[in-house]
Amino acid sequence: QQQVKQSPQSLIVQKGGISIINCAYENTAFDYFPWYQQFPGKGPALLIAIRPDVSEKKEGRFTISFNKSAKQFSLHIMDSQPGDSATYFCAASVAPGNTGKLIFGQGTTLQVKP
Amino acid sequence: GAGVSQSPSNKVTEKGKDVELRCDPISGHTALYWYRQSLGQGLEFLIYFQGNSAPDKSGLPSDRFSAERTGGSVSTLTIQRTQQEDSAVYLCASSFGRTANEKLFFGSGTQLSVL
Repeated sequence: QQQVKQSPQSLIVQKGGISIINCAYENTAFDYFPWYQQFPGKGPALLIAIRPDVSEKKEGRFTISFNKSAKQFSLHIMDSQPGDSATYFCAASVAPGNTGKLIFGQGTTLQVKP
Repeated sequence: GAGVSQSPSNKVTEKGKDVELRCDPISGHTALYWYRQSLGQGLEFLIYFQGNSAPDKSGLPSDRFSAERTGGSVSTLTIQRTQQEDSAVYLCASSFGRTANEKLFFGSGTQLSVL
């Protein structure tokens, strides 16, 4: 019940295309859903996050879509660029008394071809 | 420093040896986390420190793993009698620790290889 399942494991997109990464969870107590981006040899960095009181959040080319009833959320990268090539992790945590202990998905390696 | 600093960046050891991994969090951050990233796997939570509170050790995979945080700053993760399955990238993260769901700042990690 503490798992966050992420798909696909890898993704290849042409420059200018839309990249879509999906995550699903079981624990209905989760109420914070961040996405982290990791470049090779670096630690993950927060990209964008959403709370379940909204169904969508957009920051530049990055959008999180959230479906509370389906317990699913996804990251959309519009106009994908080669510089977006990285590993993306979804995550979830529980806010009340939350220690920041995030439960991460397995990661998606995105390659954007020029 | 400007970010979370981890050392060494790479560590190669022999099976059965003990290793110590160091994390220097961002100044002023009271919360510190250790995660493990295995090849093709997600980030696995290991341990969490917050101020003077007892650490959350719920993610430590065995009693060969331990961690301490001295003076509320630097943390050391120790793995005793290393096994080949301990090979992974060990990531440290810190945050201000003032509110729930804060942004975590990760270091670049220590790549541990157990031969």
